[in-house]
Amino acid sequence: AQSVTQLDSQVPVFEEAPVELRCNYSSSVSVYLFWYVQYPNQGLQLLLKYLSGSTLVKGINGFEAEFNKSQTSFHLRKPSVHISDTAEYFCAVSESNAGGTSYGKLTFGQGTILTVHP
Amino acid sequence: GAVVSQHPSRVICKSGTSVKIECRSLDFQATTMFWYRQFPKQSLMLMATSNEGSKATYEQGVEKDKFLINHASLTLSTLTVTSAHPEDSSFYICSAIAGGTDTQYFGPGTRLTVL
Repeated sequence: AQSVTQLDSQVPVFEEAPVELRCNYSSSVSVYLFWYVQYPNQGLQLLLKYLSGSTLVKGINGFEAEFNKSQTSFHLRKPSVHISDTAEYFCAVSESNAGGTSYGKLTFGQGTILTVHP
Repeated sequence: GAVVSQHPSRVICKSGTSVKIECRSLDFQATTMFWYRQFPKQSLMLMATSNEGSKATYEQGVEKDKFLINHASLTLSTLTVTSAHPEDSSFYICSAIAGGTDTQYFGPGTRLTVL
């Protein structure tokens, strides 16, 4: 079984400042890692994902994340945030070699609310 | 590409009635669909996994007789909340995986309010 911990429930920042949203995971097997963003009253939108290869993953809207296997982390970063980045962000993991009824099952973190102030 | 729709987006019903929520993959065939529930200020909790042409697999603690799931085609899965009660009020979100991929694409969600 996997678990995901998002260390910060809320992150307030000023516009154009850099931001890092932290995510740590626990798993006994290899995993895929994802970051999703949720705007109010909407479903989740995929920001980026790590499946294999380069540990630095670039996503949409200028976000990037780095997979650190030794620290079991997948922190999300953006060098300069905008007001429109205000949303809730979810880190998630799934087993990389899952089969049968476990295929594709995502385990989500608790979410981090990013609020960008002018 | 990879668009998932849900209908309705919002529904209000009386206690004791049943409500059906549809989840459609618009531009790809979804071999597997998932249903999640999200309570206010909480994360998504997986309710069940739906595979086309077979019975859904429910997570522990989810009543399969209350939350009926049908995945009748590669583009449509439905969730029926039977005999709904106020405690079933929540945001229900579906997602879909295209065959041979590992990425879930999420629908916009359905907000259910049971009076």
